[in-house]
Amino acid sequence: DSGVTQTPKHLITATGQRVTLRCSPRSGDLSVYWYQQSLDQGLQFLIQYYNGEERAKGNILERFSAQQFPDLHSELNLSSLELGDSALYFCASSGPSVTSGTDTQYFGPGTRLTVL
Amino acid sequence: AQKITQTQPGMFVQEKEAVTLDCTYDTSDQSYGLFWYKQPSSGEMIFLIYQGSYDEQNATEGRYSLNFQKARKSANLVISASQLGDSAMYFCAMREGFSGSARQLTFGSGTQLTVLP
Repeated sequence: DSGVTQTPKHLITATGQRVTLRCSPRSGDLSVYWYQQSLDQGLQFLIQYYNGEERAKGNILERFSAQQFPDLHSELNLSSLELGDSALYFCASSGPSVTSGTDTQYFGPGTRLTVL
Repeated sequence: AQKITQTQPGMFVQEKEAVTLDCTYDTSDQSYGLFWYKQPSSGEMIFLIYQGSYDEQNATEGRYSLNFQKARKSANLVISASQLGDSAMYFCAMREGFSGSARQLTFGSGTQLTVLP
């Protein structure tokens, strides 16, 4: 158990719908990352938050958005869903740099999204 | 160009034997970190081992060791005494820049390892 929690574990929805994925980082970790794993694209970085602020953006679609709340949990919002958005979405967290020399990212169990 | 290349889509190894999973990387940064993760069929991503670009010694974690050859830009994972539970997908990943910047990981395409009884 990495200490990172993600809900829900599975999500089945229809095209055009909107969903919210939730992530709670490990205790003490300030950074939260979102990744998408699909068969054709592999593992791709979407976005990073550090202590409530957006820090880096990757290949995140405009239909997707995220935020990190004061209690450090994060939510990834996916809207106007398409069949191609079906994937495994991971949240990862890492500690503040002063206490974690490696910035190792620990991954949650993932949310498997199926868009029908 | 691919930043992380894993050239072995699939590997087989006999139980109790050692196996090496290849990973080459491409970066112009002087400071970077290399990571290996394991993804069993259940789907979770499990951190295995880390090597920093300035680390002079190869990293080891139990049965895992990282064969780091900086000049060749390779960071191969060596698993000794393979076990049936080692059957999984293995991903090599890189974090560019200083660790304090807490940057995202770039992943390779993975190697599916199957341990044979």
